[in-house]
Amino acid sequence: NAGVTQTPKFQVLKTGQSMTLQCAQDMNHEYMSWYRQDPGMGLRLIHYSVGAGITDQGEVPNGYNVSRSTTEDFPLRLLSAAPSQTSVYFCASSYAGTGVNQPQHFGDGTRLSIL
Amino acid sequence: LAKTTQPISMDSYEGQEVNITCSHNNIATNDYITWYQQFPSQGPRFIIQGYKTKVTNEVASLFIPADRKSSTLSLPRVSLSDTAVYYCLVVRRGSTLGRLYFGRGTQLTVWP
Repeated sequence: NAGVTQTPKFQVLKTGQSMTLQCAQDMNHEYMSWYRQDPGMGLRLIHYSVGAGITDQGEVPNGYNVSRSTTEDFPLRLLSAAPSQTSVYFCASSYAGTGVNQPQHFGDGTRLSIL
Repeated sequence: LAKTTQPISMDSYEGQEVNITCSHNNIATNDYITWYQQFPSQGPRFIIQGYKTKVTNEVASLFIPADRKSSTLSLPRVSLSDTAVYYCLVVRRGSTLGRLYFGRGTQLTVWP
């Protein structure tokens, strides 16, 4: 059982380049989300999706796009990379559930450097 | 959502019990307390969640007093492998799913 898989694990970009961070989960989770983590900080929510075809913005969405065409995949796109987007990016998924929120399952992250 | 406050760092020795306290003074009736653990170069991992009194699983115990304005994560007999950052989160029942708000967490360092 692979869980949440993120690719690539590391990436270096030049300012202005575009890139897509991939996230896939094999647990049939309805909910998926993207976070970024900067040094010494907690995680901040970028975008999230409650199901295929449905996405919404989180706390820090500027500079990022997402789409959800399948239950399994939730790619994060940087259209024009900026040094401020240097960070570690985590993808997470969970069951939608009812009542009590379900635990989030996180990938191991993509470490992105923008020069 | 209620803001959480927890110590930035804690130190312990192998075999000791570690208690990490989290303050959430403005917690609402529909809020649950949830803890995540993060090892270096890994994503956070769910540890435990509770609403009131005590919850115990194979990893930890969570103590929540009657007023629910604070909670304590208890790790019994820690080992070196428990060195990690521990996050306390308040999660609202019925809210938009998965909108977790992480603070800076508590860096726990276990020494031999």
